[in-house]
Amino acid sequence: GAGVSQSPSNKVTEKGKDVELRCDPISGHTALYWYRQRLGQGLEFLIYFQGNSAPDKSGLPSDRFSAERTGESVSTLTIQRTQQEDSAVYLCASSLAWQGSTDTQYFGPGTRLTVL
Amino acid sequence: QKEVEQNSGPLSVPEGAIASLNCTYSDRGSQSFFWYRQYSGKSPELIMFIYSNGDKEDGRFTAQLNKASQYVSLLIRDSQPSDSATYLCAVKKSGGYQKVTFGIGTKLQVIP
Repeated sequence: GAGVSQSPSNKVTEKGKDVELRCDPISGHTALYWYRQRLGQGLEFLIYFQGNSAPDKSGLPSDRFSAERTGESVSTLTIQRTQQEDSAVYLCASSLAWQGSTDTQYFGPGTRLTVL
Repeated sequence: QKEVEQNSGPLSVPEGAIASLNCTYSDRGSQSFFWYRQYSGKSPELIMFIYSNGDKEDGRFTAQLNKASQYVSLLIRDSQPSDSATYLCAVKKSGGYQKVTFGIGTKLQVIP
């Protein structure tokens, strides 16, 4: 596809259940970001993958959150034992982050997570 | 001190006026600066990026960068109601594959 895709677009789950969110970046993009955006709030950085380097996990809010990326392709964000405060839109973005590039981020449509 | 600071607004301007959106950043070594627009319920999209001190113009939009003052701004001329959105400032540090950091965004309302 031409853009970043995310699935599912909507997810409703019960408190305490685990959820897995998927991001397919633009082909060839080495950098991938996950963000959380609560209703009416700004982007909250979660994690950053760059090529084969160790990911920057500094934004993960708790050990219930984890993410993986296989090479420079698909990434999954997993939230274990979901809580109501996890309800938000989870956005994924990718960029062609070689030195000298603009590093423009292209965002996916997001996954809206609702924890009941 | 936050890495990237913006006033959350809302900033209200009448249709046809110039909207001025401001952003400051803390890392003097930052090298790349971006403005994204986010409509309500949508994902952010890039408007402009700027590297060098001075102004960069693209249509009705002008980005201004002052590295000495660690300040970047976005001017929107002839503001239209369709410009009503949240404008996110983003900054990338220099050196290797640094991640991009976003400000909280400024909500702009253009009043018809």
